[in-house]
Amino acid sequence: DAGVIQSPRHEVTEMGQEVTLRCKPISGHNSLFWYRQTMMRGLELLIYFNNNVPIDDSGMPEDRFSAKMPNASFSTLKIQPSEPRDSAVYFCASSLRRKYEQYFGPGTRLTVT
Amino acid sequence: AQKVTQAQTEISVVEKEDVTLDCVYETRDTTYYLFWYKQPPSGELVFLIRRNSFDEQNEISGRYSWNFQKSTSSFNFTITASQVVDSAVYFCALSEGGSEKLVFGKGTKLTVNP
Repeated sequence: DAGVIQSPRHEVTEMGQEVTLRCKPISGHNSLFWYRQTMMRGLELLIYFNNNVPIDDSGMPEDRFSAKMPNASFSTLKIQPSEPRDSAVYFCASSLRRKYEQYFGPGTRLTVT
Repeated sequence: AQKVTQAQTEISVVEKEDVTLDCVYETRDTTYYLFWYKQPPSGELVFLIRRNSFDEQNEISGRYSWNFQKSTSSFNFTITASQVVDSAVYFCALSEGGSEKLVFGKGTKLTVNP
């Protein structure tokens, strides 16, 4: 069975550019999560969706970040404009239903120069 | 507010030693869920276990075991007879009853030397 799929795996961009990260959750999973991992802040939740509806976006750093889930099999996280401090590994995860374990994708390593 | 503390930043052991990774959590909820994840050097996050606040039974899975004690707000993880392949960063996480949000500890980096 395919796990959570993320693309791209690596992204290098210049400050000010728009960055779009993509995620395909495990088929049949109802919840989707976006996390960010940095050395300074560790793993932190940015936003999560339940049945394609955003439930908690309190972790989104600022208006430069936006996330969408147009259907049950696809989500995007967009950063516009990007800044060097956005450099991190961004993970997408999905879970079958509330309170079940979350399965993580391989992550996207973003470098903003 | 929910919080997870993993006081051990790094642990180094020799193969076949037993090792325990500590996790202490804080929450005001009576219903909550605890998790352990493994992050090997390749970078992915691998789910290991989920435990809810009403189930204090310890669990064993092969060389892995977990000790959940509500009285001390701890959910410790023991690896018996460690192997080099166990080298990874291990994260403990907490989810309160009203949300699916996972709050992670800072992680413990385990190095198992041959």
